[in-house]
Amino acid sequence: DTGVSQDPRHKITKRGQNVTFRCDPISEHNRLYWYRQTLGQGPEFLTYFQNEAQLEKSRLLSDRFSAERPKGSFSTLEIQRTEQGDSAMYLCASNGLAGEREQFFGPGTRLTVL
Amino acid sequence: AQKVTQAQTEISVVEKEDVTLDCVYETRDTTYYLFWYKQPPSGELVFLIRRNSFDEQNEISGRYSWNFQKSTSSFNFTITASQVVDSAVYFCALRGGGANSKLTFGKGITLSVRP
Repeated sequence: DTGVSQDPRHKITKRGQNVTFRCDPISEHNRLYWYRQTLGQGPEFLTYFQNEAQLEKSRLLSDRFSAERPKGSFSTLEIQRTEQGDSAMYLCASNGLAGEREQFFGPGTRLTVL
Repeated sequence: AQKVTQAQTEISVVEKEDVTLDCVYETRDTTYYLFWYKQPPSGELVFLIRRNSFDEQNEISGRYSWNFQKSTSSFNFTITASQVVDSAVYFCALRGGGANSKLTFGKGITLSVRP
């Protein structure tokens, strides 16, 4: 059974550059979530998709952030004009089977903005 | 608004000791869900347990047990006879009962089990 996968696992970029991360959920799951985790903190919700529809966005998701899930399968998270404060672990999770409330997380993408 | 408080930040025990990780939550929802996740040094969050608000039965799974008490809004996690492999950061999380599926996490508890 393949879990949630994320690519890349690590990304180092210079301030002002754009970055894009990819998440592939568990294949039967129709819900996909993005979270951000900074050092010493718990994950914080960013946004959520049901199939291809983006149903909620956190206030943490500034206008420099955009997420898509064009065919209801994989999702991308893009950060434009990165800032040092964007340095964090970006986590993707999925769920969606009947009665399932828990979310299953991928390994994360660690972003470092220099 | 949902809130999860994990007042303990770091706990260190010697192998074979029992350890309890505390979690206190706040929600106005009458239906809600509580979770514990483990984050080992590799970084991937591993789901451990879900508890529904309408089910206050405690649960035991091997060396792990969970104590859910609505009266005190707590969902505590006990590891019996701890092992070095239990060393990780443990997060408690809360999901409301409505259409909003997001999880609200506590800050996590770093557990170190020394041999």
